[in-house]
Amino acid sequence: DGGITQSPKYLFRKEGQNVTLSCEQNLNHDAMYWYRQDPGQGLRLIYYSQIVNDFQKGDIAEGYSVSREKKESFPLTVTSAQKNPTAFYLCASSTARDRVNTEAFFGQGTRLTVV
Amino acid sequence: RKEVEQDPGPFNVPEGATVAFNCTYSNSASQSFFWYRQDCRKEPKLLMSVYSSGNEDGRFTAQLNRASQYISLLIRDSKLSDSATYLCVVNMLDTDKLIFGTGTRLQVFP
Repeated sequence: DGGITQSPKYLFRKEGQNVTLSCEQNLNHDAMYWYRQDPGQGLRLIYYSQIVNDFQKGDIAEGYSVSREKKESFPLTVTSAQKNPTAFYLCASSTARDRVNTEAFFGQGTRLTVV
Repeated sequence: RKEVEQDPGPFNVPEGATVAFNCTYSNSASQSFFWYRQDCRKEPKLLMSVYSSGNEDGRFTAQLNRASQYISLLIRDSKLSDSATYLCVVNMLDTDKLIFGTGTRLQVFP
């Protein structure tokens, strides 16, 4: 089945530790995105990537890092520099038609809790 | 001004009612528009894309007004199962970003 997979579903981290969230898609999509959602809030863009080996900062990139070494993978690292990392993290991917991004498909999300 | 703005609601409506949501966007270079539905503690799922000519899918109708820079979603004959948060999404052509509104919460009661 084609889709986008995030792992793990739940993650607990001690303060001061870096942690990496996985996102893999087999939809052959060029574009991938990471969003953060806090309780009762909308989605805020952390990073996005349109092609392999290239990515751009979103609105809240501080304290996060990404890589895009393969088309199907876009891991997100939450570093110790992120002051308030507890949130719901969503990864999405989309393709482009006539240079315009089409609808995005989401993974099931990772709930990160700092303990 | 936010790039994409929605009324957060909640909209509390009885079953069978018709309800409409609007979403405004600030960047006139925006090219693609979508409505997503998000249930509590779940990922957003595509409800429908929004085209210039407007489009309809069963009880749901989406419209785009480029001149006034807003999109709308109309839900007819509301069901209990329509209770969710509805997210407006805009693709910015000049930056290739997909920007989400904060969502409008709908609660349908018996």
